[in-house]
Amino acid sequence: GESVGLHLPTLSVQEGDNSIINCAYSNSASDYFIWYKQESGKGPQFIIDIRSNMDKRQGQRVTVLLNKTVKHLSLQIAATQPGDSAVYFCAEKNPAGGTSYGKLTFGQGTILTVHP
Amino acid sequence: GAVVSQHPSWVICKSGTSVKIECRSLDFQATTMFWYRQFPKQSLMLMATSNEGSKATYEQGVEKDKFLINHASLTLSTLTVTSAHPEDSSFYICSAPPGGSSTDTQYFGPGTRLTVL
Repeated sequence: GESVGLHLPTLSVQEGDNSIINCAYSNSASDYFIWYKQESGKGPQFIIDIRSNMDKRQGQRVTVLLNKTVKHLSLQIAATQPGDSAVYFCAEKNPAGGTSYGKLTFGQGTILTVHP
Repeated sequence: GAVVSQHPSWVICKSGTSVKIECRSLDFQATTMFWYRQFPKQSLMLMATSNEGSKATYEQGVEKDKFLINHASLTLSTLTVTSAHPEDSSFYICSAPPGGSSTDTQYFGPGTRLTVL
């Protein structure tokens, strides 16, 4: 279902630390997941994605882990920088079939603040 | 990645007026586009799916007569907020998957900040 967050979770880290942002998704049949970064006043920016047939995927400084057993996603950011400060959303894609094909359902988001 | 633009980036209007927001895919064709609304410190809420050449499909609770969607070409979808009221003030964002809804990745526009006085 859709996610509405009135108070987004926050994560504060020091520059250079590794950050881990967690997300619980809702539909055990979802087959595709995306992490987006949203800076203030801007649209979401694609970071990394993963399909349900994978447990881990790495990008540049980012890693996404998928645990289908507990319907959990995490985004790991290595050597976090001040420019990484933003709101991070996970999104799941509804599986093929039915009226919801192609739609994304967003998690509530996490505010990441990186201190110099 | 694919580029999606929105116009205007922000708009202020009086209560009771209508506002049109444009969403364009700049370097790809989009048979499907999605419109989201985002209130401060909240997540994105899907409003409707815009389909080129056919009627939009709206999410439960979204008034189709208030939020008019037109997807007249493969690169343009418009959202018109009719008879806007202060509670319609929000950040409106569109997205498009290159290749249509069967494509997984969606690229988002920069958003339009609507303020209704």
